[in-house]
Amino acid sequence: QLQLQESGPGLVKPSETLSLTCTVSGGSISSSSYYWGWIRQPPGKGLEWLGSIYFSGSTFYNPSLKSRITISVGTSKNQFSLKLSSVTAADTAVYYCTSLYADSVVFFDYWGQGTLVTVSS
Amino acid sequence: EFVLTQSPGTLSLSPGERATLSCRASQSISSSYLAWYQQKPGQAPRVLIYGASSRATGIPERFSGSRSGTDFTLTISRLEPEDFAVYYCQQYGSSLYTFGQGTKLEIK
Repeated sequence: QLQLQESGPGLVKPSETLSLTCTVSGGSISSSSYYWGWIRQPPGKGLEWLGSIYFSGSTFYNPSLKSRITISVGTSKNQFSLKLSSVTAADTAVYYCTSLYADSVVFFDYWGQGTLVTVSS
Repeated sequence: EFVLTQSPGTLSLSPGERATLSCRASQSISSSYLAWYQQKPGQAPRVLIYGASSRATGIPERFSGSRSGTDFTLTISRLEPEDFAVYYCQQYGSSLYTFGQGTKLEIK
């Protein structure tokens, strides 16, 4: 069973870059049936997909963030990462890393516990 | 822009009752790409249903999903105390993923 764990700073200053890493255990990030993704949830609000990546490096981003977001994968460490630039208070949220099963069906099957990132000076 | 609209926003029921949650898609989607998630306070969401009607591993039989055109339904046949939570539907299309705004299922 896959396990995912987010890590990174819990506080980021406005205009700076938010950086998070997700470490995957219990399976290989190079699995052909999986993409890997980031989803966030502002306090008291719903879920927003940010982007996804395949182990080959192919990425798909939410168009609302496309100019600010970069997702990368590090297969040697079984990790993938999120960078979100020029953050504002609106980027304050719990950030989840997820596995995305993508075969004949598509769904987010395993989730990290989430990490709260606050954007504040 | 693809939109999923969930209704009702809040559903107040008692344990033992039947819950019916709706998710309407703004355009036609494949059943293969519609999933339902449950989220309890302070926890990450967990998948309940994928492919519109297939239960995920370990999900009780009281949870079921169905489709009629662009309307998708999550049914909980007989509510248990642990079922009171927020439920989200989610779709995939054109390399994008969209969530509904959620339905809060609360104890009456």
